[in-house]
Amino acid sequence: TQLLEQSPQFLSIQEGENLTVYCNSSSVFSSLQWYRQEPGEGPVLLVTVVTGGEVKKLKRLTFQFGDARKDSSLHITAAQPGDTGLYLCAGARGTYKYIFGTGTRLKVLA
Amino acid sequence: ETGVTQSPTHLIKTRGQQVTLRCSSQSGHNTVSWYQQALGQGPQFIFQYYREEENGRGNFPPRFSGLQFPNYSSELNVNALELDDSALYLCASSLGGENIQYFGAGTRLSVL
Repeated sequence: TQLLEQSPQFLSIQEGENLTVYCNSSSVFSSLQWYRQEPGEGPVLLVTVVTGGEVKKLKRLTFQFGDARKDSSLHITAAQPGDTGLYLCAGARGTYKYIFGTGTRLKVLA
Repeated sequence: ETGVTQSPTHLIKTRGQQVTLRCSSQSGHNTVSWYQQALGQGPQFIFQYYREEENGRGNFPPRFSGLQFPNYSSELNVNALELDDSALYLCASSLGGENIQYFGAGTRLSVL
């Protein structure tokens, strides 16, 4: 059972466009992380959000944790081909177990 | 470059065989977690080892077992392989108490 649903599953956009990826759950998480995974590599941590309503920015990427700590969003401004990859959210349950989302595969065309 | 290395990178086995995958954690990290990532899906938590003891387990059968050694490197063993075990197996190392995991590039296992 996948507790974290991501949408959309696939996204193909032109360079320069904006996009938002959503991560939704009916469960509360103590923290939530976003990763990017490229082919042939493991996921790389982008950000961790801990507090409900928290917003973090990483260059052109904006991450928000829902007020109830059940959902999160990732917004990319002016997407570039280098943003292409699989974006994964992961919610922390307790101190050791991370539940990963279903993933959003993004392709940015030049 | 995360400092986490996994071997082998690719492996082909037949149904019923046994396999051992290896993970060398980042220097100073005492915690290793293993994940299974099926094609097109997010990673699924298998189990975690902290200072050589299993510290939590996901919904995987007992034929998935592991070890962590005094140098904090780790092994994942899978017995009686099934076709559905075909996946990318990822290990991630961290320092106990911190929520930052560093992933290796994974081992791609194909079961025929």
